[in-house]
Amino acid sequence: NAGVTQTPKFRVLKTGQSMTLLCAQDMNHEYMYWYRQDPGMGLRLIHYSVGEGTTAKGEVPDGYNVSRLKKQNFLLGLESAAPSQTSVYFCASSYPSGRAARDEQFFGPGTRLTVL
Amino acid sequence: QKEVEQDPGPLSVPEGAIVSLNCTYSNSAFQYFMWYRQYSRKGPELLMYTYSSGNKEDGRFTAQVDKSSKYISLFIRDSQPSDSATYLCAMSSGGYQKVTFGTGTKLQVIP
Repeated sequence: NAGVTQTPKFRVLKTGQSMTLLCAQDMNHEYMYWYRQDPGMGLRLIHYSVGEGTTAKGEVPDGYNVSRLKKQNFLLGLESAAPSQTSVYFCASSYPSGRAARDEQFFGPGTRLTVL
Repeated sequence: QKEVEQDPGPLSVPEGAIVSLNCTYSNSAFQYFMWYRQYSRKGPELLMYTYSSGNKEDGRFTAQVDKSSKYISLFIRDSQPSDSATYLCAMSSGGYQKVTFGTGTKLQVIP
């Protein structure tokens, strides 16, 4: 099993450009998440999904959109990139068992995005 | 005030030392407490989880939760260079899966 994979690994954008980050998992997990990680800020939840066709806003959703058309994929879109969106983006997935602590989140390797 | 506070370090110790990593929190609803380990340029991986107060041991690692003080700790015994990583505490009140992460403490174990 590949676990959680993210595409691309690195990307440099100019302000105003758009792009889509792809996350894929092969563990049949119901829940998927997009986080951004910035120095001194930790991991912050952007959007999440509790199942195919559903999405919800997290802590810092502004400037991002998501889609979960297939259970195994979760896409994060930036419509008009801004320098403030320079960050490392992590996707994660989990399979709910009714007890949050046991619902380990499996993280992908991250995408390093720079917006100039 | 952040819900979860964690000393960012960096923390540098000699090989074999006992390491103590700590987090404080303000949300009394948190019931589940986790520690993730993140190697450089990698995604976080779950290291340990605990529910409610008390200690949990797994090899060289011990997780401790004191809900009355809203304080959690991770102890690493006989630290190894391979333990060099950033350690993130995380906690949740249960339910739909929202997990709040600390900012992480960077640990370096010197051979």
